[in-house]
Amino acid sequence: LAKTTQPISMDSYEGQEVNITCSHNNIATNDYITWYQQFPSQGPRFIIQGYKTKVTNEVASLFIPADRKSSTLSLPRVSLSDTAVYYCLVGLNQAGTALIFGKGTTLSVSS
Amino acid sequence: GAGVSQSPSNKVTEKGKDVELRCDPISGHTALYWYRQRLGQGLEFLIYFQGNSAPDKSGLPSDRFSAERTGESVSTLTIQRTQQEDSAVYLCASSFASGLAGTPNEQFFGPGTRLTVL
Repeated sequence: LAKTTQPISMDSYEGQEVNITCSHNNIATNDYITWYQQFPSQGPRFIIQGYKTKVTNEVASLFIPADRKSSTLSLPRVSLSDTAVYYCLVGLNQAGTALIFGKGTTLSVSS
Repeated sequence: GAGVSQSPSNKVTEKGKDVELRCDPISGHTALYWYRQRLGQGLEFLIYFQGNSAPDKSGLPSDRFSAERTGESVSTLTIQRTQQEDSAVYLCASSFASGLAGTPNEQFFGPGTRLTVL
């Protein structure tokens, strides 16, 4: 099972680019990397998923180096509404059925 | 049309009582998950249903916890003889069937049920 390590918290200001790096040294060959976002009092929601190199959507970019032992979620020009917990998830549980959520990174955006 | 719904949104109960939490998944989603989230913590996987397959119960913390799902529709999570340590937000999610190994489909979460055991 791939274990992930990400910062507990990060602070930023509106308009800045935020990069959250996740380490997953024992990622398996067929594991994907998925990021979810959770606002207070809400369930998590999917942001982005990738296997290698770079993936970009309307919300974020995901950078994955060739060795895939880490990944970086990039949020361009954050706003106050991006204040949330961001979870990096790699692979599935032992039964192959569910994602494994850690404690995530709490991003606080100030004006 | 709507997303995943859960009821009740809040539940306060006394220690020792049984509680039942309900989840209505998105229509067409064959996979359904239950998670528990304690205050300030990440999500703990509890149980997974996929179609008519045997559920993955590997995350249930004790035999006081059980869940059922009728076909590909509603699911109920039951906690018997509740303890104060059961206080948490219980989240339900649904998705299309899991893809190839290591290729998780996007999970859509409900708003959760906040359970408080006094």
